[in-house]
Amino acid sequence: GQQLNQSPQSMFIQEGEDVSMNCTSSSIFNTWLWYKQDPGEGPVLLIALYKAGELTSNGRLTAQFGITRKDSFLNISASIPSDVGIYFCAGHNYGQNFVFGPGTRLSVLP
Amino acid sequence: ETGVTQSPTHLIKTRGQQVTLRCSSQSGHNTVSWYQQALGQGPQFIFQYYREEENGRGNFPPRFSGLQFPNYSSELNVNALELNDSALYLCASSPGQDVPTQYFGPGTRLTVL
Repeated sequence: GQQLNQSPQSMFIQEGEDVSMNCTSSSIFNTWLWYKQDPGEGPVLLIALYKAGELTSNGRLTAQFGITRKDSFLNISASIPSDVGIYFCAGHNYGQNFVFGPGTRLSVLP
Repeated sequence: ETGVTQSPTHLIKTRGQQVTLRCSSQSGHNTVSWYQQALGQGPQFIFQYYREEENGRGNFPPRFSGLQFPNYSSELNVNALELNDSALYLCASSPGQDVPTQYFGPGTRLTVL
């Protein structure tokens, strides 16, 4: 079946630093989504991308839909302590199920 | 506008028992999907319900079954519980069967002893 890979698996950064993470697939997706999950909670939708090459921002977050439609990137600028959590990418094709990556765990050091 | 709610929050069962988990979709959403999230992993799709009909199923055995009611709330039933069914069970709702944006509830943590 379809699988997504996320890198890095985990990262430790200093408060104020920028963060980059990515998600890759062996299959093409029509839609890429990025979610954040805090401990004991469900994932929260951050950004949805609908078109290859699309670059979308949500506050300090910026995500891109890769040109090949097989990857996506998420950047967080000027990280703050509340950015701590697990970031999941998900791919979706019409008429098919959502596929989630294994997540990138972000820790922010004060 | 009320978000997605799930009950119970936590549940402990023993192997072989049966469990029912419940989900109320966000107002205006007619599609509910269920996911299993094992510790340290991403959510795995179980199945989706659209207007009371199952509309897609992941790689889960038949002992995982579900229902959707006329008010679009949903149940996930798991029979003959196994130890590796221990996980966070997430419900997500969306305003249509092929609408890519979905919104998750807080989950039900199931522990099977």
